[in-house]
Amino acid sequence: NAGVTQTPKFQVLKTGQSMTLQCAQDMNHEYMSWYRQDPGMGLRLIHYSVGAGITDQGEVPNGYNVSRSTTEDFPLRLLSAAPSQTSVYFCASSWDRTSGASTDTQYFGPGTRLTVL
Amino acid sequence: LAKTTQPISMDSYEGQEVNITCSHNNIATNDYITWYQQFPSQGPRFIIQGYKTKVTNEVASLFIPADRKSSTLSLPRVSLSDTAVYYCLVGEGDYKLSFGAGTTVTVRA
Repeated sequence: NAGVTQTPKFQVLKTGQSMTLQCAQDMNHEYMSWYRQDPGMGLRLIHYSVGAGITDQGEVPNGYNVSRSTTEDFPLRLLSAAPSQTSVYFCASSWDRTSGASTDTQYFGPGTRLTVL
Repeated sequence: LAKTTQPISMDSYEGQEVNITCSHNNIATNDYITWYQQFPSQGPRFIIQGYKTKVTNEVASLFIPADRKSSTLSLPRVSLSDTAVYYCLVGEGDYKLSFGAGTTVTVRA
């Protein structure tokens, strides 16, 4: 298994540009989420999904959109990038329904480092 | 969201045992307690999870008292490679999980 993969690894945007951060997992996990981590701080939940077609907002959803058309993919869209969105973005997945494991046991991707100028 | 409180930082030396206590006074009946480890420039990695009493795996032990309002992660005989940020999470029934600032553990030779 590749686990959780994220692309790109690095990205530089200008203010006002839009882009999509990609996240995919091959573990048949129901639950996927996006976090951002600012320098020296913990992770904050942006959006999450408990299954294909179902998404909901986390702590800091403003300026971001998500969709979940398949179990495997959970892209994060920045609509109009702002310098305040400069951060490291982590995607995570959990909960193989057949295993019965808790949704708290998350597997994280390697992150996307985004700079908005 | 169930709020957690951990020390900001802890220092230790190689070979010592490190104990990190997390407070979670508002933990709900169905919540699990989960600890993650994060190295610089990497995503967090699951360490251990528990509901009550004691859980042990090859990496750490987790002690949870009967009232479940706190938990203690114990790292036995740490090495330099255990230098990382450690997060305590308390799971919410609606899947909204929140990472606090974590505890930065620095292990010195």
